[in-house]
Amino acid sequence: DSGVTQTPKHLITATGQRVTLRCSPRSGDLSVYWYQQSLDQGLQFLIQYYNGEERAKGNILERFSAQQFPDLHSELNLSSLELGDSALYFCASSVSSGGVYGYTFGSGTRLTVV
Amino acid sequence: GQQVMQIPQYQHVQEGEDFTTYCNSSTTLSNIQWYKQRPGGHPVFLIQLVKSGEVKKQKRLTFQFGEAKKNSSLHITATQTTDVGTYFCAALNYGGSQGNLIFGKGTKLSVKP
Repeated sequence: DSGVTQTPKHLITATGQRVTLRCSPRSGDLSVYWYQQSLDQGLQFLIQYYNGEERAKGNILERFSAQQFPDLHSELNLSSLELGDSALYFCASSVSSGGVYGYTFGSGTRLTVV
Repeated sequence: GQQVMQIPQYQHVQEGEDFTTYCNSSTTLSNIQWYKQRPGGHPVFLIQLVKSGEVKKQKRLTFQFGEAKKNSSLHITATQTTDVGTYFCAALNYGGSQGNLIFGKGTKLSVKP
């Protein structure tokens, strides 16, 4: 157990639907990062939050959004889902903003869009 | 933004052979991190290198950061089946953001017993 909790572990949904992925960071970590991992693209950075505020955006689609709540847990919302959105979605956390410290990853949510 | 290129994409070795993966950037890096992802698992932080020419060892694993801080390598001596997985390097992205990590595409290592 890495200390970063992601739910659900698996999600199967139909095209056009909307899903929410949840992440609880490791205790004491203020930064949360979302990454998408598909077979061909490796780990793609989506978005980062630090202590409730958005800090950085990567190649995140407009159909995707995220937020970090006062208790520091984060949610990634994916809407109007397409087949190509099928991937592993990882959440990671770190003590500070930036890459000064290593990231702790959760076990991921495997999303399958059918 | 920052990009890191990692080679090779795949490496198949016989147990006991050595393995090396390389990470390269066209720009100077402030630091570099290495992660390992076991099959079906999540990336796990291995190490961070910060100084030019830095070399760090973890048992059979040797990590190096180039003198110009534009490249890095991970070398595993005498691979074991437990080394199977994908090894990623990651560097800070200073392309206008606050420093999130950009990952290389990884080197997938398979070890034949």
